[in-house]
Amino acid sequence: QVQLVQSGAEVKKPGASVKVSCEASGYTFTSYVMQWVRQAPGQRPEWMGWIFGDSGNTQYSQSFQGRLTITRDTAARIAYMELGSLTSEDTALYYCAREKAGDAGFDPWGQGTLVTVSS
Amino acid sequence: QSALTQPASVSGSPGQSITISCTGTSSDVGAYKYVSWYQQQPHKAPKLMIYHVSNRPSGVSSRFSGSKSGNTASLTISGLQAEDEADYYCSSHIPSSTYVFGTGTKVTVL
Repeated sequence: QVQLVQSGAEVKKPGASVKVSCEASGYTFTSYVMQWVRQAPGQRPEWMGWIFGDSGNTQYSQSFQGRLTITRDTAARIAYMELGSLTSEDTALYYCAREKAGDAGFDPWGQGTLVTVSS
Repeated sequence: QSALTQPASVSGSPGQSITISCTGTSSDVGAYKYVSWYQQQPHKAPKLMIYHVSNRPSGVSSRFSGSKSGNTASLTISGLQAEDEADYYCSSHIPSSTYVFGTGTKVTVL
């Protein structure tokens, strides 16, 4: 079955960068878009960006312009999300999620990676 | 891009029906068929419940249904059950292939 497994929790200092991985299995990685969404404690999900597995084309939310980079390794079937210039406001659960064909929602989701930014 | 507006909470008794609204604008909810709904249980990842306004993924109970009128989408849960208690979020495709989520609704089963 389709499964997304994310890397483990991270603790970072303000100003640092974090890179979260998302390993996909159970489907053709290059045929789908991988989305990234984050959720701060007690808050709504916030869309961050996506990458198309085949071409590597990306789209980012303007909220992260300049400090968000999404990449992928097609051979390893892994998508990566790197966020730089971290502040305490970036403390959140970060999720990857496969976009169903035809822009039919995000399904499934990874288990989430907790990123804590603290001095 | 502002978040889509949802009521903070909705409650109902077991067996009843409830409806959650999701209000956007003519640039998001009103412009596209790409409205989705997600259920989030405590400490779990969101789960897709509805896509393309009114379609259910396989495995999702038929008690969940979606609709849209103008700039407002709605999720209806019929025959409310204790297991439906969760947070629910709507989401819409917006211009330039980007997305926005709703403010979220906490559903309580009385």
